Parts: sequence; structure tokens; C-alpha cells
Amino acid sequence: QVQLVQSGAEVKTPGSSVKVSCKASGRFFISYAINWVRQAPGQGLEWMGGVIPILYTSNYAQRFQGRVTISTDESTSTAYMELSSLRSEDTAVYYCATTMTQKTWGAFDAWGQGTVVTVSS
Amino acid sequence: AIQLTQSPSSLSASVGDRVTITCRASQGISSALAWYQHKPGKAPKLLIFDASNLKSGVPSRFSGSGSGTDFTLTISSLQPEDFVTYYCQHFNSYPTFGQGTRLEIK
Repeated sequence: QVQLVQSGAEVKTPGSSVKVSCKASGRFFISYAINWVRQAPGQGLEWMGGVIPILYTSNYAQRFQGRVTISTDESTSTAYMELSSLRSEDTAVYYCATTMTQKTWGAFDAWGQGTVVTVSS
Repeated sequence: AIQLTQSPSSLSASVGDRVTITCRASQGISSALAWYQHKPGKAPKLLIFDASNLKSGVPSRFSGSGSGTDFTLTISSLQPEDFVTYYCQHFNSYPTFGQGTRLEIK
């Protein structure tokens, strides 16, 4: 049974960056895609990007291109999502999620607990 | 990018009712569709994958159907814990979520 544990809440100022971590256990980390999804207050779920470590493949949603970077550390089975040039609209809960099938994109069968990021001056 | 349109955006029903939520894709996606349940303050939970496969441990009152562009999630007999929000998702290299359907108690 895979488990994803995310880092704690963050408060950031506009224009700064945030880096959220997601540590996986219970599954061969690099074989499964890791995705990041966010939910702003009162809004729906929004996919930001994902990576399949073993295939060295990553994709990002167009609206976050150039602002988001997803990376992985295989030695610690940890994924990271860094979002730069923060603005108030980036205030949201950020989730990592992993797919149920190896070496491909698929449905997200395991999720982290969520990390609240607040952007405020 | 493929767009997903869920309907209705909100739905009022009673415990024991049978409800259906629909999800329409802007182009054919075969069976590459999932359904999630999202409770406030919790992470989303996968219910259905590949359009009609029930994830292990999910109650059998949940079912999914469809292929191509039109999909449905059906809850056969609503329980009190089912009155939350549901999302469809097309999963490929650029996943997309529907806008969500909020299920409310009548």
C-alpha cells in the first residue's frame, strides 16, 4: 500500500517561490508517475504537472509552464513541486498523487494529505 | 487540450435515492476516464478507473459506464457520507478534471 506524506503549510509573499515535498513509501517509487494537483478556495481540482522518474518524462499544464518545476530524489523516494513568481491566486491546497499503473500516465490511486500554501503580503 | 464538462454542477437528493452524474469529453478518449470523490479537508479518493472499473474497497453502490465522449457515474442508493463533491478526470499525459458536481441533501 503506497503512502504519500507531504511537507507542512507554507506562508509566502507575492513574487517569492515555494517548494513542497512529497515522500513516498510502500511502492517502487521511480516506476510510477507522480503528479501535482491543486485546489484554490472555492474552486475545483487543477492538474499542474507530472513526472515518470524511470522514463525521465515530465509534463506540465500550459498555464503553469515556466513557473512550475517538478523534480524527484530517488534516493529518498521524494518528489518536489516548486512554484515561482507567486501571486495571491496561487493560494491553494496542493496535493501530490501517484498513478496506479507503472511506466505510464493513469488514474491517481494514492494522494498525499495536501499542503496549504498561502500567498499574502 | 481535451475539455471535460460535468453535469449537473450541483444536485439535491435524499438518502436512498439513485443519482447519475455525467461527464462529456470534447473529443473521444476511449475509456481513459476516472471518477473521484472529494470530501472537504481530505484528499480526493479514486472510485472508478478506466471508465467502469471499481477500485478495490469502494462500495458497490458506485458504478461507472461509458466510452468515447460520454460517461456516467451512478450511485445506486445514496448514503449520508456520499453527499460531497465528485470529479471526473481524463488521464493521459495531460490530465484534465471536470469542474465537479456537488451532491447536496434535499
